[in-house]
Amino acid sequence: DAGVTQSPTHLIKTRGQQVTLRCSPISGHKSVSWYQQVLGQGPQFIFQYYEKEERGRGNFPDRFSARQFPNYSSELNVNALLLGDSALYLCASSLVGGAGGNQPQHFGDGTRLSIL
Amino acid sequence: AQSVAQPEDQVNVAEGNPLTVKCTYSVSGNPYLFWYVQYPNRGLQFLLKYITGDNLVKGSYGFEAEFNKSQTSFHLKKPSALVSDSALYFCAVRDIRAGNMLTFGGGTRLMVKP
Repeated sequence: DAGVTQSPTHLIKTRGQQVTLRCSPISGHKSVSWYQQVLGQGPQFIFQYYEKEERGRGNFPDRFSARQFPNYSSELNVNALLLGDSALYLCASSLVGGAGGNQPQHFGDGTRLSIL
Repeated sequence: AQSVAQPEDQVNVAEGNPLTVKCTYSVSGNPYLFWYVQYPNRGLQFLLKYITGDNLVKGSYGFEAEFNKSQTSFHLKKPSALVSDSALYFCAVRDIRAGNMLTFGGGTRLMVKP
C-alpha cells in the first residue's frame, strides 16, 4: 500500500511569493495534519483536518492556510513568503481525528521549501 | 500546555551495546506518548506508542520504551544497537484537547559506531 505522498519534493521560492504544497493520505485515512520542521528542530504543528473540517491550528500566522478535499487529500498554502519559512513541511495522516482514537500519525517524506 | 524534552542532542554507542534515548514530558492529563525516527532526507517513521496499560512498550525494529509516570519519562531503549539505527529520534506527546496534534521534542541524534 502507498504511504503518505507529498508534492513537490523540493521547491525554491523568493520572498513575497506564494506556495501551495500537496498531500495525499494513506488510503482509508481521513485525518491529515501539517507540520513545519526547521533544520535542527523538531516538527511544529500547523493544522489538522478531519472530514474536511479544520480540527486544530498551531501558533502560525494567517499567511498559512490549508484545506482538505472530499477525497481526503490536502493542500497547505503559504502567502507572502519570508526567509524564515524555509523548512521541511511534513504531512501526516491517521485513521481518525479529533479527541477519539489513539492511532499513530504516519508521515510523508515532506516538501523541502527554500526561500531566497 | 504540554511539552516534551529530550535532554541529549546526541547519543553515541558502540554497535552491539544497549542504547537509551531519553525523553521527559509534561501534560495536564493522561499522556499519549510516541517515538518516531527520521533518516536523512526522509519523513518521520513511527516506532511505538504508549496509550495505557503495560509500562514497557515494544515497537518496531527491536525498540522498546519504558513509561514511568512518577518520573514523567518515556525513554527509548534497544538491547543491542546496530549501525543502521543511526538516525534522528523524536519523542512526541499527543494533545487530546487539540485533536490528534503531536508536540515533539527537539530530537536526539543517535550515532552507532562499528
